[in-house]
Amino acid sequence: GESVGLHLPTLSVQEGDNSIINCAYSNSASDYFIWYKQESGKGPQFIIDIRSNMDKRQGQRVTVLLNKTVKHLSLQIAATQPGDSAVYFCAENMDSSYKLIFGSGTRLLVRP
Amino acid sequence: NAGVTQTPKFRILKIGQSMTLQCTQDMNHNYMYWYRQDPGMGLKLIYYSVGAGITDKGEVPNGYNVSRSTTEDFPLRLELAAPSQTSVYFCASSTPAGEQYFGPGTRLTVT
Repeated sequence: GESVGLHLPTLSVQEGDNSIINCAYSNSASDYFIWYKQESGKGPQFIIDIRSNMDKRQGQRVTVLLNKTVKHLSLQIAATQPGDSAVYFCAENMDSSYKLIFGSGTRLLVRP
Repeated sequence: NAGVTQTPKFRILKIGQSMTLQCTQDMNHNYMYWYRQDPGMGLKLIYYSVGAGITDKGEVPNGYNVSRSTTEDFPLRLELAAPSQTSVYFCASSTPAGEQYFGPGTRLTVT
């Protein structure tokens, strides 16, 4: 069936370096994608979103890239900080009700 | 704004017991959702609602029921708790643009 998945379950980066978290999706009809950050014991927190009519969107220290040709989504975090340590999920929109399908997550560990 | 609030934070149930997980949002969002998250996994949609009086099944609805009598509240009901329902439950609501805001979660253990 349709699914959203992630390439790397755990990513370890040095503080100050840039981080790239990847996500593959299989539903070519999806038109809305979101990245969430989840800290231990908390609910997911919205980071950034992108619609299928765009291929790049930037926020504060974060950039999302969308490659519809290969159905790939990535989250880039600039100058990674210890507070960025968390599990990151990508999610895709199923239909106009904004039901989301979540991937299994990537854990980002920031080394001091 | 308090955002999305959930009660209780933790609960232990015996097999066969029932309970209601409460969810309230004060952002006047039409769309609300219930997810479950098993350890080390992503979120799976249980039920969702696009407005008061309207509910629909998500990916994993079996064993659960919902109601949406007001815009603010979206309770999730477990009628006959089973060990497979041990999980963390998140409620969310969304803006018209689709960004979902999540509550802090309810950690449920069924033994």
